[in-house]
Amino acid sequence: DSGVTQTPKHLITATGQRVTLRCSPRSGDLSVYWYQQSLDQGLQFLIQYYNGEERAKGNILERFSAQQFPDLHSELNLSSLELGDSALYFCASRQGPGTGELFFGEGSRLTVL
Amino acid sequence: SQQGEEDPQALSIQEGENATMNCSYKTSINNLQWYRQNSGRGLVHLILIRSNEREKHSGRLRVTLDTSKKSSSLLITASRAADTASYFCATDDDYKLSFGAGTTVTVRA
Repeated sequence: DSGVTQTPKHLITATGQRVTLRCSPRSGDLSVYWYQQSLDQGLQFLIQYYNGEERAKGNILERFSAQQFPDLHSELNLSSLELGDSALYFCASRQGPGTGELFFGEGSRLTVL
Repeated sequence: SQQGEEDPQALSIQEGENATMNCSYKTSINNLQWYRQNSGRGLVHLILIRSNEREKHSGRLRVTLDTSKKSSSLLITASRAADTASYFCATDDDYKLSFGAGTTVTVRA
């Protein structure tokens, strides 16, 4: 158990819909990272937050947004969903930027029909 | 975009044999990390090697880093069926960890 909790584990929705994925980082970790893993794109970095502030942005679509709340949990919002958004979405945390290993949650599997 | 690229994409070995996989990357790094992923599960950290280190060991794992060639290798010795998984290298530039596409390792009993 990594200590990182992601909900929901599975989600099936239709094109055009909006979903919210939630992540609770490991106790004491201030940095939260979001990744998307699909078969054809591998593990893509989306965005990083540190203590509530956005710190780095990767290949995150404009239809996607995220935030980290004062209690350090984070949410990834995906809107106007397309078939190609079907993927495993991982949240990971660590104490701070550049402070060593990432602890990954078990992921949220999104299927867009 | 991905920073690291693993080679080979897939590897099949007999139990007890060694498995070697390589990672190449493009830009300067603070450290390089290796992770393992069992099918559909979250990634698990294996080992971290800093940019000023050349070799590191952890149990049956041996990692090398050549910053002049921008490459790293992961060696798993005396492989077991439980080592069957995908292995990813990740480069850390303090802002993010960028992962390669991974090497899928199958250990045959």
